[in-house]
Amino acid sequence: GNSVTQMEGPVTLSEEAFLTINCTYTATGYPSLFWYVQYPGEGLQLLLKATKADDKGSNKGFEATYRKETTSFHLEKGSVQVSDSAVYFCALSNTGNQFYFGTGTSLTVIP
Amino acid sequence: DAGVIQSPRHEVTEMGQEVTLRCKPISGHNSLFWYRQTMMRGLELLIYFNNNVPIDDSGMPEDRFSAKMPNASFSTLKIQPSEPRDSAVYFCASSFGGNQGNSPLHFGNGTRLTVT
Repeated sequence: GNSVTQMEGPVTLSEEAFLTINCTYTATGYPSLFWYVQYPGEGLQLLLKATKADDKGSNKGFEATYRKETTSFHLEKGSVQVSDSAVYFCALSNTGNQFYFGTGTSLTVIP
Repeated sequence: DAGVIQSPRHEVTEMGQEVTLRCKPISGHNSLFWYRQTMMRGLELLIYFNNNVPIDDSGMPEDRFSAKMPNASFSTLKIQPSEPRDSAVYFCASSFGGNQGNSPLHFGNGTRLTVT
């Protein structure tokens, strides 16, 4: 079947620290992978995506590489800011347009 | 692009009352999804439509919940009668869904429902 597992939170970092949020997946076939971000009081927003193996998605300083050999799509940012404080969701989409979300990882960045 | 529009943003109602949540997907999108988010259970898929037809409603909690999509630009989620355990944030999302599964979901800002 299809599923996404992401690291438990909450994660607390100091401003300018390096961020990694781990995400691994189980899927049949060749899924597309996504990271979404949710700010307080808002809906989920697409942060980045990758549609095939070895693709790197990037946006706003965040990056994630689609690793088929390790079934992973870890989110990274070299220097986090207070404004990055949010909940981050890893997700996959497979044929038939079904989406599968991880449980979310809460990130708090302190000045 | 106005994005996915949900109304109302907040709804407070008493137990036993009927609640109707509304969603306008992005124009041109052919798939629409209803999700519920709570602290305890996280993000749950309730139902999704493809070309206005319900494809998977296995996430709908019980018969008190129903969803319709009468046309490509409008969907409703109805709860009748409502109960306190239905209190949650309900999200609508849409996508241009093909069989490749590589089109992202676009979420609305949600309806926060409180049932007292």
